[in-house]
Amino acid sequence: QVQLQESGPGLVKPSETLSLTCTVSGASINSSFWSWIRQSPGKGLEWIGYIYYSGSANYNPSLQSRATISADTSKNQFSLRLTSVTAADTAVYYCARRRDGTGRLDYWGQGALVTVS
Amino acid sequence: DIQMTQSPSSLSASVGDRVTITCRASQTVISYLSWYQQKPGKAPNLLIYAASSLQTGVPSRFSGSGSGTEFTLTITSLQPEDFATYYCHQSYRIPYTFGQGTKLEIK
Repeated sequence: QVQLQESGPGLVKPSETLSLTCTVSGASINSSFWSWIRQSPGKGLEWIGYIYYSGSANYNPSLQSRATISADTSKNQFSLRLTSVTAADTAVYYCARRRDGTGRLDYWGQGALVTVS
Repeated sequence: DIQMTQSPSSLSASVGDRVTITCRASQTVISYLSWYQQKPGKAPNLLIYAASSLQTGVPSRFSGSGSGTEFTLTITSLQPEDFATYYCHQSYRIPYTFGQGTKLEIK
């Protein structure tokens, strides 16, 4: 059974960097695409970006180059860094696996609430 | 960006009802369209992918259809556990985007 688990600080100060890690079990990150999605309180879902097992990544331009996704294959983890955060970045951050070329997000982490204050 | 617009935004229905949720894309997404169910405090759960393929383990009362710019999610014979918020998601063109959600409530 594939499982994903987000970890990282729940509180970040404005202008600082948000860092989250997603630990994957039951699957190797040396395959598939690994994604970050966030959901602001009471709002909808926003795609942040993904990293492919080869190391290439794509991001939502709305984040204006503040986001970086990286992978550590030795630990079977991938990470999100979001710089220069503001209150607008307060959200529940989810990591998820994009299974294949269909784009389906078939496994998700439980989510990590990050508050910028 | 491709805008995904769901209708209705909210819907009241009774157990046993059949409901349909529509998702319209501002430009074609071919069939790169998936549907997710989200319950309060939980992560979204994949129901349908490639517009009409049922994810393994999802009950057959859920079905999807459409292509191009118009898609539908249909739930036949609503069960109590189906009351939740539903999102469509396009993964055709970056930035991938989600619909605003449809909240399905008990009448």
